[in-house]
Amino acid sequence: KNQVEQSPQSLIILEGKNCTLQCNYTVSPFSNLRWYKQDTGRGPVSLTIMTFSENTKSNGRYTATLDADTKQSSLHITASQLSDSASYICVVSDQGSQGNLIFGKGTKLSVKP
Amino acid sequence: DTGVSQNPRHKITKRGQNVTFRCDPISEHNRLYWYRQTLGQGPEFLTYFQNEAQLEKSRLLSDRFSAERPKGSFSTLEIQRTEQGDSAMYLCASSLSGGLSNQPQHFGDGTRLSIL
Repeated sequence: KNQVEQSPQSLIILEGKNCTLQCNYTVSPFSNLRWYKQDTGRGPVSLTIMTFSENTKSNGRYTATLDADTKQSSLHITASQLSDSASYICVVSDQGSQGNLIFGKGTKLSVKP
Repeated sequence: DTGVSQNPRHKITKRGQNVTFRCDPISEHNRLYWYRQTLGQGPEFLTYFQNEAQLEKSRLLSDRFSAERPKGSFSTLEIQRTEQGDSAMYLCASSLSGGLSNQPQHFGDGTRLSIL
């Protein structure tokens, strides 16, 4: 069964600190991996998209890594800000389906002053 | 605002009633997707359209659910004879086609459905 597992489930950090969120997946065949940020009560917003041939991709203070061999990805947030408080969702595209993205449950990040 | 627009934002209805949601995608996007998200979970795929054609449906989309995109622009999702388990956030997203590799999906802010 295609699955996307994220850890930790929740995380609290102080403003200005860095953090790393993890994603493991079993989706096969794999097309691409995405990280989304979802604020409470809002729709997800795309942060990064990586194909299997890409190892890292950055978007401002967000840097995603991908190891397609071990089927692991991470999202590193640098110099966190209060506005980074949100759920971060790892999403994997199943190559066998044009429309079906498989979402993880997300990591809920709280940045405290 | 030229993002994905969903209406209504909130819908409260009694069990057994029919409800319909609308999604207006980004104008140049030919793909449109519907997802359902419950509290503490990630979104779950329901169905997607390329232009007016409904190309894929999830097993989650029971017979009570129907989606349309008659002119390849806006889409509606109807739920008939609503049940308690239908309470969720219904998200719509749109994207360009041409393969999924580098096409981000742009999400609306969803319609939150509460069944009394």
